[in-house]
This record gives sequence, structure tokens and C-alpha cells, in this order.
Amino acid sequence: TQLLEQSPQFLSIQEGENLTVYCNSSSVFSSLQWYRQEPGEGPVLLVTVVTGGEVKKLKRLTFQFGDARKDSSLHITAAQPGDTGLYLCAGSAGGYQKVTFGTGTKLQVIP
Amino acid sequence: EAEVAQSPRYKITEKSQAVAFWCDPISGHATLYWYRQILGQGPELLVQFQDESVVDDSQLPKDRFSAERLKGVDSTLKIQPAELGDSAMYLCASSFAGTSGSQYFGPGTRLTVT
Repeated sequence: TQLLEQSPQFLSIQEGENLTVYCNSSSVFSSLQWYRQEPGEGPVLLVTVVTGGEVKKLKRLTFQFGDARKDSSLHITAAQPGDTGLYLCAGSAGGYQKVTFGTGTKLQVIP
Repeated sequence: EAEVAQSPRYKITEKSQAVAFWCDPISGHATLYWYRQILGQGPELLVQFQDESVVDDSQLPKDRFSAERLKGVDSTLKIQPAELGDSAMYLCASSFAGTSGSQYFGPGTRLTVT
């Protein structure tokens, strides 16, 4: 069974601060996705990374896929209240792209 | 912009009753997923379809849950009989073949079993 551990589990920060969320596994994934979910809604895809060492930027969000394709990080610069939500990583592997979701990181950005 | 549709958005049912959820994926998406999510946790895969075929239902409680995607388009997830522990968010997602697992989620169905 492939497991994805996210840390921290909870994060409460002031507006303007920087933060990093980690997603770690002992398994190798062919690709990894990051999602953000707001209460009562479905997760929304933020990014997909497929190459070991790949770095992608989405405005103030920077995503990195580990060289060995077992881990990933999400860095947010100058967090804003609109960044508040549940951040989920998900790894894909296998012929049918079986997806395993991480344990989630709940972020609260205080104005 | 194309979206995954789910209905109902909310469902309250008594234990031992039957309940069904419907999902219409983004047009052209061959892969369809049903997930169960407990508040604050990551989604747990219940069943994955490739077109009309089930490719993974290893975590589906088959004594009470069933899922079908008869024509390879929309899908139904059924619970019979519902139990108190089934209260959760049920999410449907779809993906286009070859997109490295990138999924698009519907708004979900919040189920409360009383």
C-alpha cells in the first residue's frame, strides 16, 4: 500500500508570512498532483509534476517534485487569507494511474 | 468551462435505508473515480472505472456498496443499507486518459445518516 504523509497537519499563520508544506512517501510515483479544497467543496487541481527535480510556479505558489519522485513540497510566499483551505497532495502510479491521496494540511491565514 | 456534475449536493437518510449518488464526468474523460472523504482528511478511493470497466474496487465495502457506469459515461454509487459510519462527503472525479493522474472533482455529496 502506497502512503503519502503530509506535514504539518495544521498550520495557522499571519497574512504576509511564508510557509512550506511537505508530502513524503517511501514509494515512487510517476506523477504527483497538488489540490486545494475549501469547506463543502471538491478539491481543485493546482498543479501536476511528472519529472524528478521539476519545479513549477503558480503566482505565489512554488511546487517541487523530489529527484527520486518520492516526495514533493509546496511553498507559498506572502500568504493571503484567500489561501486558506485544505491542501492535498496525490501520487499516481501504475498502468491505470492509481491515485493515492496524502493526509492533508489544513492552512489558516489570519488577516 | 467543463465541470463534473454530482447530485444531490446534500442527503440525509436514516440508517438501514438505501441511498444513491449520481455523477456526470467531463465529456471525453474515460476514467471516473468515486471517493469518500472524512472531514479534514484526504479522500479515500472507493472505486475507479476505465470506460465502463471497474479497474480498482479494492476499498469498496461490497456487502453494502455498489457502483456502475453502464455506458461508460455517467455513474451511480449506491449504499444499501446505510449505516451511521457512512456519514461523509462522497466525491466523484474524472480524468482524461494519459494525463498523469490529474483529476477534476465535482462538488461532492454530503451524506448524513441518522
